[in-house]
Amino acid sequence: DIVMTQSPDSLAVSLGERATINCRSSQSILYNSNNKNYLAWYQQKPGQPPKLLIYWTSTRESGVPDRFSGSGSGTDFTLTISSLQPEDVAVYYCQQYYSTPYNFGQGTKLEIK
Amino acid sequence: QLQLQESGPRLVKPSETLSLTCTVSGGSSSRSYYWGWIRQSPGKGLEWIGSIYYGGSTYYNPSLKSRVTLSEDTSKNQFSLNLSSVTAADTAVYYCARGTIGGPRWFDPWGQGTLVTVSS
Repeated sequence: DIVMTQSPDSLAVSLGERATINCRSSQSILYNSNNKNYLAWYQQKPGQPPKLLIYWTSTRESGVPDRFSGSGSGTDFTLTISSLQPEDVAVYYCQQYYSTPYNFGQGTKLEIK
Repeated sequence: QLQLQESGPRLVKPSETLSLTCTVSGGSSSRSYYWGWIRQSPGKGLEWIGSIYYGGSTYYNPSLKSRVTLSEDTSKNQFSLNLSSVTAADTAVYYCARGTIGGPRWFDPWGQGTLVTVSS
């Protein structure tokens, strides 16, 4: 199984500042034949289901603000929120879909400082 | 707008079978997409249970495979989860979600989720 590990577990950032969440996979999730990294990011607010933010490591889902961006390759990935807004308070999860089981990271709780 | 809604018993006794149905409405044919079940134990993270494709192709989490059965009824735009021999560790919010056309991959959108408690 591919284990997904996020860091930090929690993060407090001031409004308007940059927030960076890291995700590491226990093995490469880069598929060489198409040069794609099989990684997605989700946002979950209290009492709500997760919402897809990014897939293929860096492709924003329709309607997701452009302050959210994803990067990385191989085993190391990053979700960046360029300018934190109050509505961004949530738990963020990464997920690999390179191979089953499609594991998620343990989550990173993002709060306002 | 595509919507998914989980339904089924909220309370299941230990050793019995948890059965949930996901009803899909307002969107494209379920025949084109993969569909999945994901659960979230109270205060914990997300666990992929399994995914299904039209025609019955299924993919299961090995940790649950011996107890899980997924099925689909395209005529009703529904797919279902059966989890047998449940214990308290299976208490969780269960979500159904749509995968992609190309494979289970990522999930979007998700249903609101239903909390299933395993208790006598």
